[in-house]
Amino acid sequence: SAVISQKPSRDICQRGTSLTIQCQVDSQVTMMFWYRQQPGQSLTLIATANQGSEATYESGFVIDKFPISRPNLTFSTLTVSNMSPEDSSIYLCSVEGSGGTYNEQFFGPGTRLTVL
Amino acid sequence: QKEVEQNSGPLSVPEGAIASLNCTYSDRVSQSFFWYRQYSGKSPELIMSIYSNGDKEDGRFTAQLNKASQYVSLLIRDSQPSDSATYLCAVNTLNQFYFGTGTSLTVIP
Repeated sequence: SAVISQKPSRDICQRGTSLTIQCQVDSQVTMMFWYRQQPGQSLTLIATANQGSEATYESGFVIDKFPISRPNLTFSTLTVSNMSPEDSSIYLCSVEGSGGTYNEQFFGPGTRLTVL
Repeated sequence: QKEVEQNSGPLSVPEGAIASLNCTYSDRVSQSFFWYRQYSGKSPELIMSIYSNGDKEDGRFTAQLNKASQYVSLLIRDSQPSDSATYLCAVNTLNQFYFGTGTSLTVIP
């Protein structure tokens, strides 16, 4: 499986500011995913990031709030814009494995965000 | 109806017992099925994948899939306190991943 790193691992931010989270993979991958996991909850997919095209956002998530970049096949960023306390969550990036049709997903270590 | 449903627990078993975790899914075209383990404060870790009906064993873990009943389970034999975690069931349906809400497992020494 791919080795995935995320920066920062955690941050405490003020309301109204923005934070950019980086996700780096040690091998080239076609699809990268960004998830949010709020305390005690399961994973919610924010968007799918493909290199060379616009990210695809899930219902309830918009580009203005969560802009995503995917400049190459090993790197992506997620920005959480104009933050409010409701954005406090763990943000996870994941990548698909290379298992053919039945690709697994592997997760980075996550970014724990607290908004005051 | 949720795509993937799990009993949230908590499930408690004594050390050395078999822990049984269950998951149902709603879409018959779902192709592949996964179990993730998530320790508190950590990210999900893939522990089992299964694609065909029947059992798949890996060490102390056995995944069971019954596509006719739309049911997938995870058995953990000889449970250890280090198995205490939340277990997430995930389903790949037409290249869309769906996660259950997770089952919290506590193994009591």
